[in-house]
Amino acid sequence: QVQLQESGPGLVKPSETLSLTCAVSGYSITSGYYWGWLRQPPGKGLEWIGTIYHDGNTYYNPSLKSRVTLSVDTPKNQFSLNLASVTAADTAMYYCARGSGWNGDNWFDPWGQGTQVTVSS
Amino acid sequence: DIQMTQSPSSLSASVGDTVTISCRASHAISNSLAWYQQKPGKVPELLIYDASTLRSGVSFRFSGSGSGPDFTLTISSLQPEDAATYYCQSYNSGLAFGGGTKVQIK
Repeated sequence: QVQLQESGPGLVKPSETLSLTCAVSGYSITSGYYWGWLRQPPGKGLEWIGTIYHDGNTYYNPSLKSRVTLSVDTPKNQFSLNLASVTAADTAMYYCARGSGWNGDNWFDPWGQGTQVTVSS
Repeated sequence: DIQMTQSPSSLSASVGDTVTISCRASHAISNSLAWYQQKPGKVPELLIYDASTLRSGVSFRFSGSGSGPDFTLTISSLQPEDAATYYCQSYNSGLAFGGGTKVQIK
């Protein structure tokens, strides 16, 4: 079955760029579905960051759009998140997930285990 | 931007009770609504999509109903393992999550 695994630095300095990668196993990214990033600040609710299709089409949360870039690496069967100019408010558990639906209107299943990212100097 | 409002924010119920959680969208979203369960320290898991379609493998004690803007998640015969936070999520012309409903077992 499909599995997703996030990886990246657990600590990022303010004003720098947060970079995470999601490795997908058990399913080829190019076979369909959408691939998303979501996050959850400590003790708070869920927030959608953005979604990418294997052809490179992207869909972003309007509140984060100016700072987010998603990309896909089909040979490695993985996709990535870059979030620029981070502040303490970006401290969160970051999840990658597979999206079903159309053109960025997606629900997500399954999710990766998540990776904690802290923004601090 | 779409806003999703869940109520209540928390509830406490006994084993065997039937529990209902509400979710309201700020505008019409047809049936483009999903429900997730997140147990403490765990990853969110999809329960329902398209407002009422149960994900394969999810207990039939969970059911969803409604059509934009008002939706309901019902948990029948509440069990101890249902203690969790439940989130609704819209996916029609934008994605947004509700604030969550924490379900505790008395």
